[in-house]
Amino acid sequence: AAGVIQSPRHLIKEKRETATLKCYPIPRHDTVYWYQQGPGQDPQFLISFYEKMQSDKGSIPDRFSAQQFSDYHSELNMSSLELGDSALYFCASSLERTSGSHEQFFGPGTRLTVL
Amino acid sequence: QKEVEQDPGPLSVPEGAIVSLNCTYSNSAFQYFMWYRQYSRKGPELLMYTYSSGNKEDGRFTAQVDKSSKYISLFIRDSQPSDSATYLCATLMDTGRRALTFGSGTRLQVQP
Repeated sequence: AAGVIQSPRHLIKEKRETATLKCYPIPRHDTVYWYQQGPGQDPQFLISFYEKMQSDKGSIPDRFSAQQFSDYHSELNMSSLELGDSALYFCASSLERTSGSHEQFFGPGTRLTVL
Repeated sequence: QKEVEQDPGPLSVPEGAIVSLNCTYSNSAFQYFMWYRQYSRKGPELLMYTYSSGNKEDGRFTAQVDKSSKYISLFIRDSQPSDSATYLCATLMDTGRRALTFGSGTRLQVQP
């Protein structure tokens, strides 16, 4: 079965640079979520989209922005990167609004390292 | 204080043992409960999803929810070395925010 695809899998950036992370949800899933997982920590919700519209916002810094495109893929844009942004970034998708199921399926993550 | 508390472990058991993983939560608005397994440097993999008090079984895994005491558990029977991973409980509100709130994860090591 198709899963959530994330790219790139690994990314190394310098401080103050920008980064763009991409997520391709499971086909026909209507909701995309972004989570950040720091070393030894549990995933923290950043932002979500339903049908290409922002549906909820968590602890996402103002330096970050995200959007969902017409083909349902989503991008997380991160600017003025800081050392503390080094983390695993996960995208998850669900078919919640259509099916009523609340199961969220996670991608393999993008490991961002800021030097 | 975190809304979902989970013993971080590590928990080390011999192969074949029954494993019990537990979480407590404080917010009565949490109505849906999930258990994820996460191998090192990988994405969380959904193991179990429940929304009512009681037990749900899937193979060697049993999820248990007690909403009256705000307590959720995951039992693993006949544990295998391949079960060695971090197990995260996660909860979801019935209305409002649709994002998961995770526990801190329990690291499990099954010794062959």
